[in-house]
Amino acid sequence: DAKTTQPPSMDCAEGRAANLPCNHSTISGNEYVYWYRQIHSQGPQYIIHGLKNNETNEMASLIITEDRKSSTLILPHATLRDTAVYYCIVLRTGNQFYFGTGTSLTVIP
Amino acid sequence: GAVVSQHPSWVICKSGTSVKIECRSLDFQATTMFWYRQFPKQSLMLMATSNEGSKATYEQGVEKDKFLINHASLTLSTLTVTSAHPEDSSFYICSARDHGAGANTGELFFGEGSRLTVL
Repeated sequence: DAKTTQPPSMDCAEGRAANLPCNHSTISGNEYVYWYRQIHSQGPQYIIHGLKNNETNEMASLIITEDRKSSTLILPHATLRDTAVYYCIVLRTGNQFYFGTGTSLTVIP
Repeated sequence: GAVVSQHPSWVICKSGTSVKIECRSLDFQATTMFWYRQFPKQSLMLMATSNEGSKATYEQGVEKDKFLINHASLTLSTLTVTSAHPEDSSFYICSARDHGAGANTGELFFGEGSRLTVL
């Protein structure tokens, strides 16, 4: 199974872009990279996912390196409500989501 | 977007009793649902994969007789914590993938979670 490595915590000033990195050096060719976030005492919320190409939606952008060994989630204009734990997950071919320790993002006023 | 609902959202019970948590996919069919538990300040830990019409698949170290899972229909899975003890107190979260989505592309939809406190 591809493992992911994320920094345990990050701070970001409100209104600035938050760039959250994730390493997944053992990812295989048919595995997708998913990003979820969890606000305290709630279920995880889907943010974005991708395979090879960069992706963008109304919440964030996902930049995947050409070798697919790492990716970066970008929140273009962080707000206080974006304070959460962000999880980078590589989807196994067995379709089970295994969560790592994630990055605790704190958006500072 | 797709919605997964859990009930109850919180429950307090006495030690030795059993507690049932329901997980429903409200607007899609889910042949597979997943159950997680989360202790304070820790990540989500996958407990088991619930398969409609068949036995659940448990992760290593999770007692199947302790955590009974039933997935009787395409929209409902239940987790029963049997003979609960204080160490079973945790945040239990279910998730489901839309049956119609591709196996490797469908996002996972999570319920709101159920907080269990065993006295």
